[in-house]
Amino acid sequence: EAQVTQNPRYLITVTGKKLTVTCSQNMNHEYMSWYRQDPGLGLRQIYYSMNVEVTDKGDVPEGYKVSRKEKRNFPLILESPSPNQTSLYFCASSLWGEADTQYFGPGTRLTVL
Amino acid sequence: SQQGEEDPQALSIQEGENATMNCSYKTSINNLQWYRQNSGRGLVHLILIRSNEREKHSGRLRVTLDTSKKSSSLLITASRAADTASYFCATDMANFGNEKLTFGTGTRLTIIP
Repeated sequence: EAQVTQNPRYLITVTGKKLTVTCSQNMNHEYMSWYRQDPGLGLRQIYYSMNVEVTDKGDVPEGYKVSRKEKRNFPLILESPSPNQTSLYFCASSLWGEADTQYFGPGTRLTVL
Repeated sequence: SQQGEEDPQALSIQEGENATMNCSYKTSINNLQWYRQNSGRGLVHLILIRSNEREKHSGRLRVTLDTSKKSSSLLITASRAADTASYFCATDMANFGNEKLTFGTGTRLTIIP
């Protein structure tokens, strides 16, 4: 089944404790992206990657890191999480180019205390 | 600032009625997409309309695009309880491809049985 998976789905952590949210897709998509969703703000793009070893900042990259060592995986790293990073995070993938549907993962709800 | 803004923010209608929601955006686009999100879940792609198209249909969905007004509308006909969800428009900017997809804040649609 074609899908985007994220782990963990739920995470409660404390300020400053490094964490990684994994994202994996099985559709051989070149493009992958991370979004955060906050009430009243919709989805905002954090980082995206157009292929292996190619990443770029989205609209809200501060406090996040990403890597793309393999085509299928695109982990999101929070080196020193803060309470303002409490949010619902979504990973998405698509073929790269114009007019391509993005496929979303199920989301990771992160709470930073 | 948000590229896409949906209107209304929330909409409640009786089952069987038609639901219309609107999206406005600020800059020239290549394409506009509509996505649906069931509560707390990942987004699901509904329909894409290109900037040179004015109207597109998919089942009970009808999308219109007016590039002169920088606006789009999504019409769901003969609504069902299962249509209860949040709906987002997403635009890619004319100087970028699909990598810079910007989402609006969404319309929360409730279908009353």
